[in-house]
Amino acid sequence: KQEVTQIPAALSVPEGENLVLNCSFTDSAIYNLQWFRQDPGKGLTSLLLIQSSQREQTSGRLNASLDKSSGRSTLYIAASQPGDSATYLCAVRVIDDYKLSFGAGTTVTVRA
Amino acid sequence: DGGITQSPKYLFRKEGQNVTLSCEQNLNHDAMYWYRQDPGQGLRLIYYSQIVNDFQKGDIAEGYSVSREKKESFPLTVTSAQKNPTAFYLCASSIWDTDTQYFGPGTRLTVL
Repeated sequence: KQEVTQIPAALSVPEGENLVLNCSFTDSAIYNLQWFRQDPGKGLTSLLLIQSSQREQTSGRLNASLDKSSGRSTLYIAASQPGDSATYLCAVRVIDDYKLSFGAGTTVTVRA
Repeated sequence: DGGITQSPKYLFRKEGQNVTLSCEQNLNHDAMYWYRQDPGQGLRLIYYSQIVNDFQKGDIAEGYSVSREKKESFPLTVTSAQKNPTAFYLCASSIWDTDTQYFGPGTRLTVL
């Protein structure tokens, strides 16, 4: 069974600092990995999707890396802003399985 | 506007009652999903449907039922057999089961 872990559970940084969010998974036979953002009481918004054949994906200030062999992905958010305050979740799809396995998320607070 | 709608936003249920949560999408997506989110935990898959009139159980299907009579609709019924139904319920859809999932805004269910 795929286990997905996100550490730390919460993070507080001053505005302008770069954010580094970690995601680890136990089964390296993955199909893809997604990073989502969730605002309080709201649904999830997909940020980046990395296919198993890729090493990283970039969108604006966001960059996500994937190292299948070590079972890790990292989401980098450059020059954080108060609007980046949210919970960030990673989700992994294993080969030959339709399900996404989610981590519990990292709640980020960016202080103005 | 294309998207996924869930209703109601908040729902209160007395013990012993069945309640139905609505999920509608106008994205022409084939696959639809129901997840449950509890505080401090990742999302857990309840049910999943790839096509009309077909659906599969996820990890925590006990006490829940679904139907998929139309491509755009995937209602979830929380039955009285579900012993701890208080949670945040999220519906999602994707073009196919290997693609990015798009989430609705969620329904918060509270048992009184």
